[in-house]
Amino acid sequence: DGGITQSPKYLFRKEGQNVTLSCEQNLNHDAMYWYRQDPGQGLRLIYYSQIVNDFQKGDIAEGYSVSREKKESFPLTVTSAQKNPTAFYLCASSPSQAEETQYFGPGTRLLVL
Amino acid sequence: DQQVKQNSPSLSVQEGRISILNCDYTNSMFDYFLWYKKYPAEGPTFLISISSIKDKNEDGRFTVFLNKSAKHLSLHIVPSQPGDSAVYFCAASGYGGATNKLIFGTGTLLAVQP
Repeated sequence: DGGITQSPKYLFRKEGQNVTLSCEQNLNHDAMYWYRQDPGQGLRLIYYSQIVNDFQKGDIAEGYSVSREKKESFPLTVTSAQKNPTAFYLCASSPSQAEETQYFGPGTRLLVL
Repeated sequence: DQQVKQNSPSLSVQEGRISILNCDYTNSMFDYFLWYKKYPAEGPTFLISISSIKDKNEDGRFTVFLNKSAKHLSLHIVPSQPGDSAVYFCAASGYGGATNKLIFGTGTLLAVQP
């Protein structure tokens, strides 16, 4: 069964703490993406990666960091510098950077304690 | 500056009738458009897409229409079913650069009444 998995489904962060959200895909896709969704808003791009060991900032990258050491994995770290981290985080992938259609994981809800 | 706009936050239709969801865009560089369906606390699911070289694309009960001169696209669902109740996002691509970044609208909540 091919797909994108995100874990955990819910994550709680204390003030000043860094947390890492996992995203794994077994679709053999080259490109991966992280989005953030807030209530009443569309999805906003945080970071994206076209190939292994390469990634680019999206529209709202401040306070976040990523790595792409393996093709199938694209973890997102929400750092203490992100002042409003409470949101629904979505990971997506596409076969290549030339492919417009992106396929999404189930999401992680991050809440601040 | 919202480049992709879905001006109707919500829409309610009767089961069996047509649902029409609308989307407007401002950037004439967009050349590919997609519709996603999203249930609460889940990731969006790809529904249907259309290239700017076409004005219509159909897949079963779903049809997307593109009017480039008006910078407008719409998603028609016929007949609507209760299971179609979800938030629908339109997205646009072709926004400059080498990577196909998707720009999303704010979504329309569709409620199909039995």
